[in-house]
Amino acid sequence: QLQLMQSGAEVKKPGSSVKVSCKASGGTFSSFPISWVRQAPGQGLEWMGGIIPLFGTANYAQNLQGRVTITADESASTVNLELSSLGSEDTAVYYCARDRSPVFEVAVYYYAMDVWGQGTTVTVSS
Amino acid sequence: QSALTQPRSVSGSPGQSVTISCTGTSGDVGGYKYVSWYQDHPGKGPKLIIYDVTKRPSGVPDRFSGFKSGNTASLTISGLQAEDEGDYYCCSYAGSYVVFGGGTKLTVL
Repeated sequence: QLQLMQSGAEVKKPGSSVKVSCKASGGTFSSFPISWVRQAPGQGLEWMGGIIPLFGTANYAQNLQGRVTITADESASTVNLELSSLGSEDTAVYYCARDRSPVFEVAVYYYAMDVWGQGTTVTVSS
Repeated sequence: QSALTQPRSVSGSPGQSVTISCTGTSGDVGGYKYVSWYQDHPGKGPKLIIYDVTKRPSGVPDRFSGFKSGNTASLTISGLQAEDEGDYYCCSYAGSYVVFGGGTKLTVL
């Protein structure tokens, strides 16, 4: 059974960048789309973007374009999220999540995520 | 990329049924058959309960059902149980990206 283990909590200054990692173990990784989803305190879920590790191609939410970068390291079964120019509005719990189907079985990606990481709290404060 | 519209809260008594709506546009909910629903209990992380509008992952009780008409999708939970209390989010494919609803808090009275 695939598990996703995320890196630990981060406290960052406004204007800085943060990198959060998500390591897969116990199952197939490369052929499944992986998304990053965040949840600010008291707020709903927000899809940030996703990547298919096998292909290395990423898609991003329009409102985060230019600030977010998602990369994958197949050899390490790891997907990374980097968010720059941090502001207080970026304070949130960040989750990585894997699609329920591999890319070869579906026509579209990122909307049906059945394995989630434990979440990483990122706090942006001066 | 506007969030899908969900009611802020719904409630029901044990054994009753509740329905949560999720309204989007022809560019997301109305344009695709790719709507999913997530159950979120505080501190536990989201759980996929419906995908492809109506399908349930293995292990999800058949008390949970999904439907879509036009630009609005809905989740119905029948035979409410105390453990169903929590937050529910709809999600739709929107052509190269994904959009969530604002979330609905379900209270079991």
